[in-house]
Amino acid sequence: ILNVEQSPQSLHVQEGDSTNFTCSFPSSNFYALHWYRWETAKSPEALFVMTLNGDEKKKGRISATLNTKEGYSYLYIKGSQPEDSATYLCAFISTGNQFYFGTGTSLTVIP
Amino acid sequence: DAGITQSPRHKVTETGTPVTLRCHQTENHRYMYWYRQDPGHGLRLIHYSYGVKDTDKGEVSDGYSVSRSKTEDFLLTLESATSSQTSVYFCAISESSSGDNEQFFGPGTRLTVL
Repeated sequence: ILNVEQSPQSLHVQEGDSTNFTCSFPSSNFYALHWYRWETAKSPEALFVMTLNGDEKKKGRISATLNTKEGYSYLYIKGSQPEDSATYLCAFISTGNQFYFGTGTSLTVIP
Repeated sequence: DAGITQSPRHKVTETGTPVTLRCHQTENHRYMYWYRQDPGHGLRLIHYSYGVKDTDKGEVSDGYSVSRSKTEDFLLTLESATSSQTSVYFCAISESSSGDNEQFFGPGTRLTVL
């Protein structure tokens, strides 16, 4: 069993604040890292698929970076809005094509 | 939205009874996955399929079996349900098994074993 850790577990920010969270994973047997956004009562939806060390991806106000050598990825949200409130999951994909999800960071943006 | 449906969406059953959950896709994706979601554990892979009649175990496969007789359907069976299998079950699909491709998730099935 492989450990994927996300921190913090939960976060409350004011509307307009920028924020970031961390996904930590093993630096060996790395194939890819995914970020998913999971709104309450819905299904997870993919934000980013990252495969290369140093990858940086951006979608609107949300961006992510990847460091495979040290085993972490950061997700950044600039100017948080109430509609950004969700749980953000990362998934480590091993070279054996097994998916290991973290437990998520729950973000609440207060208007 | 990716065409993935799960049935039933909710089920309450008793310990020792067999239960089958169905995942149906209209995307013709080769890979299909079953996960369970529990507080404090996130999503954990139960089984996955890489083609018709081709399946493999995930992290938490004990007590579960799967079958895939058609591209579009992936069935998860609990032969004799236990209370520890009370969970929310999610099906997912992807074009390939490699991590290059995102997974698309179904709406989930909430299973309660009394």
